[in-house]
Parts: sequence; structure tokens; C-alpha cells
Amino acid sequence: GNSVTQMEGPVTLSEEAFLTINCTYTATGYPSLFWYVQYPGEGLQLLLKATKADDKGSNKGFEATYRKETTSFHLEKGSVQVSDSAVYFCALRYAGGTSYGKLTFGQGTILTVHP
Amino acid sequence: KAGVTQTPRYLIKTRGQQVTLSCSPISGHRSVSWYQQTPGQGLQFLFEYFSETQRNKGNFPGRFSGRQFSNSRSEMNVSTLELGDSALYLCASGDGQGTEAFFGQGTRLTVV
Repeated sequence: GNSVTQMEGPVTLSEEAFLTINCTYTATGYPSLFWYVQYPGEGLQLLLKATKADDKGSNKGFEATYRKETTSFHLEKGSVQVSDSAVYFCALRYAGGTSYGKLTFGQGTILTVHP
Repeated sequence: KAGVTQTPRYLIKTRGQQVTLSCSPISGHRSVSWYQQTPGQGLQFLFEYFSETQRNKGNFPGRFSGRQFSNSRSEMNVSTLELGDSALYLCASGDGQGTEAFFGQGTRLTVV
């Protein structure tokens, strides 16, 4: 079945450091890929998405590129801020077959950014 | 445009009771999915409804059920509550075509 694996956390960085959170997936067909962010006490917010190979999703300084050859969708940001502290989830959605709206999530990576 | 609204935000129930959670999707969206989030199991898919029909279901016992109304609002019911049902229940709204899903703030259920 479909699955998503994220790098183990937590990740602790200083403000303005470079961020990478690794995400790899296993899926049949051609899934859409997403990064969601969750702040304390909140639901999930869509951060960015990519729907086909070589697509680059970007938002708020975050970027991720859909790499079919390595089945990866790593999240990057050039300079993190304290306000980026949150939990980040990589997810896939395979719209074919009986999967319809089901999102499959990674286990989440806790990011803490210190001033 | 209003976002996804889940009510109530917090619930405390006793073992053996039942509970109903509500989700109002973004206007125009006909797909509503439900997820359970726990520290141990992470985010797990419960079910998805599209135009009042359940299209997909996760691996949860029959105590977990749902429905969707003609206005696309959805409810999730859990009967005979167990301590392990304590979790954050998240609802997601979408157009049903496999594009992005937008989440509500969740309902925090505590079973004592």
C-alpha cells in the first residue's frame, strides 16, 4: 500500500539557518504530494503541493520538488524564523482506484527554531 | 470565504458513552474526510464522504461511523467510547477531485 516516511525529529535550529526535512514515499501510480504544517493546538494547514513529477511547490519561503526517480519530496527553507516552529507533515494522495480523498501522512517532524 | 468549521472544539466523555462531532466544509466543497490524530499512531484516515455517500473507509472498528447531509455538512459518531479513543479528530474539506484538502481546527476528545 501507499506509505510516507519522514526524517526522524525533533529538529532544532537557530534563526536564519537552512532547513531540510526529508520525505520519501511508496505508492502505486502517480500520487499528488503535500506538506502540511500544524501549530500547537491547531489543525493542519496546507503549506505546499505538487501534483506531478518535477513540479516544485513553494509557499512562504518553503520549497519542495516532486522527484519521481528518488520517490522523494524534501521540504527546504533557506532561512528559518522562530515563527516556523511547528510540526510538519508530508502526505500523499492517490486519486485513482478506491483511494479517492484519502491522504496518507508521514509521522510528522517537530521543528523548533531558537532566536 | 469561510474555512472548515468543526464543533465542538473540546469534549470530555466517560467510557461507554457515545459522541457526535460535526464538520461544516468550505462552501462549494462536496467531499469531507475525517482523521484521528494521536501521539502514538499519528494521523489515521477514518472515512470520506462525497455527495452524501461514503467513498472510502479506513481500518477502524464499526463503533466509528459517519454521515453527510445534503448541504455537505458531516457528522462523525463514536459509540461505546474507550479510553483509547481520546484523540484530536480532524475534518478535511475538498472538491472531491483529488486536489488539496483543507482542514478544520479539530475536536479534542478526552475519554475518562
